[in-house]
Amino acid sequence: GENVEQHPSTLSVQEGDSAVIKCTYSDSASNYFPWYKQELGKRPQLIIDIRSNVGEKKDQRIAVTLNKTAKHFSLHITETQPEDSAVYFCAASIRGSQGNLIFGKGTKLSVKP
Amino acid sequence: GAGVSQSPRYKVAKRGQDVALRCDPISGHVSLFWYQQALGQGPEFLTYFQNEAQLDKSGLPSDRFFAERPEGSVSTLKIQRTQQEDSAVYLCASSPLAGGRTDTQYFGPGTRLTVL
Repeated sequence: GENVEQHPSTLSVQEGDSAVIKCTYSDSASNYFPWYKQELGKRPQLIIDIRSNVGEKKDQRIAVTLNKTAKHFSLHITETQPEDSAVYFCAASIRGSQGNLIFGKGTKLSVKP
Repeated sequence: GAGVSQSPRYKVAKRGQDVALRCDPISGHVSLFWYQQALGQGPEFLTYFQNEAQLDKSGLPSDRFFAERPEGSVSTLKIQRTQQEDSAVYLCASSPLAGGRTDTQYFGPGTRLTVL
């Protein structure tokens, strides 16, 4: 079955710097890759997603890139702010399946003011 | 509009007790998923409903876990004879489309289950 690896597990940056989180997946049939932000004790919230027919997607300070050949995708956050501090999860979903998501183990991002 | 809601938010059970966790998806959403999130880990898939039909229960860890969605809206996840390893946050998610089409999943706040 699908396996999603996520790195790093923790990331600390200074306010205003960029943060990059990387994920790899194993099943070439995966075609949908969302990123969720989860604050302590809160629900996971979708921040951006990408489908396999595009290589990059951007939404203000957040961007995601996808390399289907290498089977990896990355989250880029620019001009980080303290409120970006949270745990970020990548996930993958397989084309033709019912859509259940396979998640990475998460990255705890700390943005220091 | 209202998002996905779950109740109770916190549940403490003694080992061996049965528990029932409720999920109210976004109105009109066809697909409903249950995930289990252990401390410090990503959510792991448990089961999937398309309307009232349970199409995939491959992620349920044992036959002590049972889920239903009898009228295609509210869903209940039941755990019988709880064990300490069942302690986790149980997340429910819904999406507007039927299975086979990947779409945004909207998560509830979860139920944190602690088994003593």
